[in-house]
Amino acid sequence: ETGVTQTPRHLVMGMTNKKSLKCEQHLGHNAMYWYKQSAKKPLELMFVYSLEERVENNSVPSRFSPECPNSSHLFLHLHTLQPEDSALYLCASSRQSSDPTDTQYFGPGTRLTVL
Amino acid sequence: AQSVTQLGSHVSVSEGALVLLRCNYSSSVPPYLFWYVQYPNQGLQLLLKYTSAATLVKGINGFEAEFKKSETSFHLTKPSAHMSDAAEYFCAVSDGYNFNKFYFGSGTKLNVKP
Repeated sequence: ETGVTQTPRHLVMGMTNKKSLKCEQHLGHNAMYWYKQSAKKPLELMFVYSLEERVENNSVPSRFSPECPNSSHLFLHLHTLQPEDSALYLCASSRQSSDPTDTQYFGPGTRLTVL
Repeated sequence: AQSVTQLGSHVSVSEGALVLLRCNYSSSVPPYLFWYVQYPNQGLQLLLKYTSAATLVKGINGFEAEFKKSETSFHLTKPSAHMSDAAEYFCAVSDGYNFNKFYFGSGTKLNVKP
């Protein structure tokens, strides 16, 4: 399998549930990203990880908790979410996070619905 | 601060017609600019990028974009639309200061009519 994969592709959860989104990249990249894509809004960068260290936390509520156990895997742990958190969550990777010309490669996303 | 404005959330063209998707940016530093495409139920795929080399950038699937500093624009064009071009297109500017941080526009959905 190549590229960036995300699981699950669809997730429906209640506001009291705890769930996790998983992202895996097979490109040998050192940087990974979480984005939120809501209807009629630009993509919002949530977190940036470089060599497994979080280097950017874009004022994201604490009910979203990222984890990067190694350079190939990235998780987004979800708890006590709100209906407005329903969105498409996209994972991306790039060779390194410090190069502004570097291409980011995106996964297909997880469509999250919070009831 | 960096920002991107895409004029027109929906654009409709006939098959074979010229495609023009507009992108204007605001950047306090020389920008790095990207166009991505998103097909239904898929992630974003890079079409092309400008990284301060040639101002006319050619990408995949016959698309190209021209960086015009005086107009702060990076419009995306394709001479002849194909049905398979129907998708949503995103322009992004990269923040050269603070890691590889992208600022995306709101996107333009391209509809291609037969």
